Amino acid sequence: QQQVKQSPQSLIVQKGGISIINCAYENTAFDYFPWYQQFPGKGPALLIAIRPDVSEKKEGRFTISFNKSAKQFSLHIMDSQPGDSATYFCAASSGNTGKLIFGQGTTLQVKP
Amino acid sequence: NAGVMQNPRHLVRRRGQEARLRCSPMKGHSHVYWYRQLPEEGLKFMVYLQKENIIDESGMPKERFSAEFPKEGPSILRIQQVVRGDSAAYFCASSPRLTGINLGGYTFGSGTRLTVV
Repeated sequence: QQQVKQSPQSLIVQKGGISIINCAYENTAFDYFPWYQQFPGKGPALLIAIRPDVSEKKEGRFTISFNKSAKQFSLHIMDSQPGDSATYFCAASSGNTGKLIFGQGTTLQVKP
Repeated sequence: NAGVMQNPRHLVRRRGQEARLRCSPMKGHSHVYWYRQLPEEGLKFMVYLQKENIIDESGMPKERFSAEFPKEGPSILRIQQVVRGDSAAYFCASSPRLTGINLGGYTFGSGTRLTVV
């Protein structure tokens, strides 16, 4: 019930291509869905986030698509660059504590 | 603003020793969260604290682990009698307050990597 399932585990994309990472959840009480980017040896950094009353949110090259009925959301990275190579985590939270449930992570490699 | 500061960055402990991890939140932040990241896994919530109060410790192991966030000073995550399975990266995050917009959008530190030998 509290899980967030993320796929794929790893992804290799050519420079300029589109990177797509998918997440699915079960708990319909989740009301906040952020994506975090983590570089080796660093802490996760908030990339973009969405609430379930919105189906899509775009910030620069990063877009979240949200399907409330399917309980799925995805991150699209347009025009992927080598500097985007990192581990990406989706997450979800509900209630008043701000506690985040993270997906297992996707390691993205963008080849020049 | 120096961000969320965690120290030490790396900590090596022998089995049975105590590990003490420190987290100084961003200036003005009164909410602190601790997460644990095992190798090749996502982050797992451990505990949520406000100044002098533990709000949610549902992710903390029942034994050997404790956390505090005193009125003055950093938040401390303490692991007593460490075992090899405690080896992980421990991340602290802070936020200024809880609002509908900011919920979950807090700032992480760079983590403490604990190795138990």
